[in-house]
Amino acid sequence: ETGVTQSPTHLIKTRGQQVTLRCSSQSGHNTVSWYQQALGQGPQFIFQYYREEENGRGNFPPRFSGLQFPNYSSELNVNALELDDSALYLCASSKQGSGELFFGEGSRLTVL
Amino acid sequence: AQSVTQLGSHVSVSEGALVLLRCNYSSSVPPYLFWYVQYPNQGLQLLLKYTSAATLVKGINGFEAEFKKSETSFHLTKPSAHMSDAAEYFCAVSPPGQAGRRALTFGSGTRLQVQP
Repeated sequence: ETGVTQSPTHLIKTRGQQVTLRCSSQSGHNTVSWYQQALGQGPQFIFQYYREEENGRGNFPPRFSGLQFPNYSSELNVNALELDDSALYLCASSKQGSGELFFGEGSRLTVL
Repeated sequence: AQSVTQLGSHVSVSEGALVLLRCNYSSSVPPYLFWYVQYPNQGLQLLLKYTSAATLVKGINGFEAEFKKSETSFHLTKPSAHMSDAAEYFCAVSPPGQAGRRALTFGSGTRLQVQP
């Protein structure tokens, strides 16, 4: 069974640029969540997708957007990057009713 | 709104000693509670979860946690620390119901060091 995979693992961008992060969910999982983990902090919920629709959103501005595809994979897009967007972005997939999130290893974004 | 407080950003124990990592939650209704572990440069791995069944929950790697509603606590324990337990530990809470479709609110984490 393939776990949650994320790409790229590391990337560097400059302020004002745009970035797309990708996530392949675990087989059989229909829900994908994205979290931002700043250095030395716990993950913060960005949003969640269920059956290709946004199913909840945390306290993040609209320049953070996402997609979920029919195969349940997902993208996180961030426009107009700011220095404070530097963080580890974690994707997690889950199966409805399981109560457990399975996390990928994350994409580490550095904004210069 | 729900919140999680982890007391102690750093905990250091000797190998073989008891591990106790503290977590208190704030919620208007009994929530679901989770403990995750994060090793350096890796994602999060679920250690254990409480979803309104038994109040004493056993997880992987010898860890367990007890849900105490009166104290709004969900402390993580392990009787005997091993060097491989050194990692960052996060307590998390979610609203009950619709498990897997609810956002988690994480604490700020506790870094566990294990001394030889």
